[in-house]
Amino acid sequence: DAGVIQSPRHEVTEMGQEVTLRCKPISGHDYLFWYRQTMMRGLELLIYFNNNVPIDDSGMPEDRFSAKMPNASFSTLKIQPSEPRDSAVYFCASSRPGTRNTGELFFGEGSRLTVL
Amino acid sequence: AQSVTQPDIHITVSEGASLELRCNYSYGATPYLFWYVQSPGQGLQLLLKYFSGDTLVQGIKGFEAEFKRSQSSFNLRKPSVHWSDAAEYFCAVAPGTGRRALTFGSGTRLQVQP
Repeated sequence: DAGVIQSPRHEVTEMGQEVTLRCKPISGHDYLFWYRQTMMRGLELLIYFNNNVPIDDSGMPEDRFSAKMPNASFSTLKIQPSEPRDSAVYFCASSRPGTRNTGELFFGEGSRLTVL
Repeated sequence: AQSVTQPDIHITVSEGASLELRCNYSYGATPYLFWYVQSPGQGLQLLLKYFSGDTLVQGIKGFEAEFKRSQSSFNLRKPSVHWSDAAEYFCAVAPGTGRRALTFGSGTRLQVQP
């Protein structure tokens, strides 16, 4: 079975440009998470969805960040305009329905973003 | 709010030696606790989880962890480390009910010497 698929794997862009990161969760999973990983701040939750509905976006840094989940098989994380401090690895993860699956996240391989 | 502390940033062990990675959590009730592993350039993979019941839980790759309520700890152990275990290990916590998202610790990088 395919895992969580993220694209692009690497993105290098210049400050001020728009960046769009994409994620396809595992089929049948009803939770989707976006995390950001940096050396300084570790793994931070940005936002998560349940059944395509945003549940908690309190981790989104500021208005420059937005995330959407138009359907069960696709999500985007957009940064506009991008800044050098946004450089990080962005992970998408999904999990299955059911309380017993709480916390069992399946991660993609991440999108490494470098903003010059 | 819940939090997780991993006091060791970096640990080096010899291949074949035993391993213990420390994790302390802060939460009012008994949380759900997890250990994840991240190999270089990869996403995280779940090693094991604790919800309730037996305080010693077994995971994949020969790892185990013990929940100690009195110490607010959930340490990860392995009796004999293999070179392929070199990676970064993250402890994580989720509330017992409701919120699904995990809060991760800062990670412990494990280096294995031949």
